[in-house]
Amino acid sequence: KQEVTQIPAALSVPEGENLVLNCSFTDSAIYNLQWFRQDPGKGLTSLLLIQSSQREQTSGRLNASLDKSSGRSTLYIAASQPGDSATYLCAGLSNDYKLSFGAGTTVTVRA
Amino acid sequence: DAGVIQSPRHEVTEMGQEVTLRCKPISGHDYLFWYRQTMMRGLELLIYFNNNVPIDDSGMPEDRFSAKMPNASFSTLKIQPSEPRDSAVYFCASRTGTGKNIQYFGAGTRLSVL
Repeated sequence: KQEVTQIPAALSVPEGENLVLNCSFTDSAIYNLQWFRQDPGKGLTSLLLIQSSQREQTSGRLNASLDKSSGRSTLYIAASQPGDSATYLCAGLSNDYKLSFGAGTTVTVRA
Repeated sequence: DAGVIQSPRHEVTEMGQEVTLRCKPISGHDYLFWYRQTMMRGLELLIYFNNNVPIDDSGMPEDRFSAKMPNASFSTLKIQPSEPRDSAVYFCASRTGTGKNIQYFGAGTRLSVL
């Protein structure tokens, strides 16, 4: 069974600082790795998806990398803004098409 | 499209009562997923359907939980009888059968069992 771990559990930074969120997974046989954002009381919004054959994906200020051999993914958010405050979850999609989620990293960006 | 629609958004009930959660997936999506989110266990997959057929229900915690998908545009998750430990946020998600396998989530139903 895929186990996904996210470190740190919480992070507080001043506006403008770059954010680095870490995700590790136990089973390297993943189909893809996804990063989601969850705002309080809301559902999940997909941010980036990295296929197993890819090393990274970028969208605006967001960049996610994937290293299957070490079982790690990292989400970078450049020049953080207060609007980036949310919980970020990573999830690995197994070959049986089931997503396994980490517990999330709660980010607070201070103005 | 309006996205995945869940109802109700909040449900408060007493222990022993039957609870029914509803989900309308995005039109054209072939897969539908039910998840439960708690502080202790995070997000857990309960069951998923493909073309209205349950494929994997290994995450359903007990026989008190049941899910149906009578047609492509509607699914229910039922808890009977409900218990306080069932209190959680329940999410429904859907995706197409092709492409990048991105799941689109509803806003969730916050269930409180007193």
